[in-house]
Amino acid sequence: DQQVKQNSPSLSVQEGRISILNCDYTNSMFDYFLWYKKYPAEGPTFLISISSIKDKNEDGRFTVFLNKSAKHLSLHIVPSQPGDSAVYFCAASAPTSYDKVIFGPGTSLSVIP
Amino acid sequence: NAGVTQTPKFQVLKTGQSMTLQCAQDMNHNSMYWYRQDPGMGLRLIYYSASEGTTDKGEVPNGYNVSRLNKREFSLRLESAAPSQTSVYFCASSLPGLLAKNIQYFGAGTRLSVL
Repeated sequence: DQQVKQNSPSLSVQEGRISILNCDYTNSMFDYFLWYKKYPAEGPTFLISISSIKDKNEDGRFTVFLNKSAKHLSLHIVPSQPGDSAVYFCAASAPTSYDKVIFGPGTSLSVIP
Repeated sequence: NAGVTQTPKFQVLKTGQSMTLQCAQDMNHNSMYWYRQDPGMGLRLIYYSASEGTTDKGEVPNGYNVSRLNKREFSLRLESAAPSQTSVYFCASSLPGLLAKNIQYFGAGTRLSVL
């Protein structure tokens, strides 16, 4: 049973519009959340993270929102650019096992020029 | 700045053959990891090593062995490859725990096919 879920396997967005990628988790012990971005034939690269003591973290065009009561987080990309086309993985970890990061299945984002 | 280097990039094996996937990092990280990526499954942890000389099982360790040769190198061995081990394998490294905010740095991956 997946502890980190990304229920949309794919998403298409027009260039310049907002992209919203969603992630749900089941383990209430998770207290740190990360987003990774992956291009084809490359390894994932870290994008942005958020601690459970916050409900929002912003880095340039990327903002992550955390709703602890709903066990839900989302990644907003504004404005979306063609270079943002990639697979985005949501990931989570718990205080008892920070080395064991649990990844979601990923969402493939296509930004259409 | 090489980061995390994996070899080989591609490999085709026959069922029952053995092979070792190599990984090296030059960032002086303590922790190293091996993941496999399968369609619809995300990245699943096979083994990890919190420091030189220690290894621990992850979510899917069966059929694999690992060696943390030194601080830089962490290898993954398939003793008798099976078609179910066809996957893309990623090695990663990080500084430990909260200091590093759990950020892992990944290699480019090894695409393995077992026929």
